[in-house]
Amino acid sequence: GQNIDQPTEMTATEGAIVQINCTYQTSGFNGLFWYQQHAGEAPTFLSYNVLDGLEEKGRFSSFLSRSKGYSYLLLKELQMKDSASYLCAVLDSNYQLIWGAGTKLIIKP
Amino acid sequence: GAVVSQHPSRVICKSGTSVKIECRSLDFQATTMFWYRQFPKQSLMLMATSNEGSKATYEQGVEKDKFLINHASLTLSTLTVTSAHPEDSSFYICSAREEDYNEQFFGPGTRLTVL
Repeated sequence: GQNIDQPTEMTATEGAIVQINCTYQTSGFNGLFWYQQHAGEAPTFLSYNVLDGLEEKGRFSSFLSRSKGYSYLLLKELQMKDSASYLCAVLDSNYQLIWGAGTKLIIKP
Repeated sequence: GAVVSQHPSRVICKSGTSVKIECRSLDFQATTMFWYRQFPKQSLMLMATSNEGSKATYEQGVEKDKFLINHASLTLSTLTVTSAHPEDSSFYICSAREEDYNEQFFGPGTRLTVL
């Protein structure tokens, strides 16, 4: 079966750095997405990785290792507004998005 | 970036009535649109995938006669929840993808409450 694992909840301090991990087992791989979702809102796109390595975009970076079936989202200089759920999703061989359950990130002052 | 709108953003209806939700891609042609449902504190659950001009493909366990999907043009897809019941109360989100691109762009979602 297809499976995406990410921690249910994480807590971090304002101004700090946090890494949210995602491991996946899917039928095929056509890329991995990270989305941010605030409570009561739809997801918004953060990053897309299809090749191994680190993609940096401002305070957010995303890393992918296809051989390990592993990705992480790195958030630097955390702000209170970063409190949200972070969803990892993999595009499988049928170009279907397989979603993780999301990681709820709580930022404390 | 590409913009997807959804209407209405919030709807309250009585049990037994039907509700139609519209999803529009505003600045691109969406060859494929997706309908998701999300219950509180749970992840997105794909309900169906629709390609312009053809019948929608429903995920296992989703009743196609209850959740009618029409993708009549490259910029509009509609989801009609027929004979709604309280258990259909949820957050419904559409997304759209342009041909040859992998990214899905999400609408803002519709919160449905069935009394």
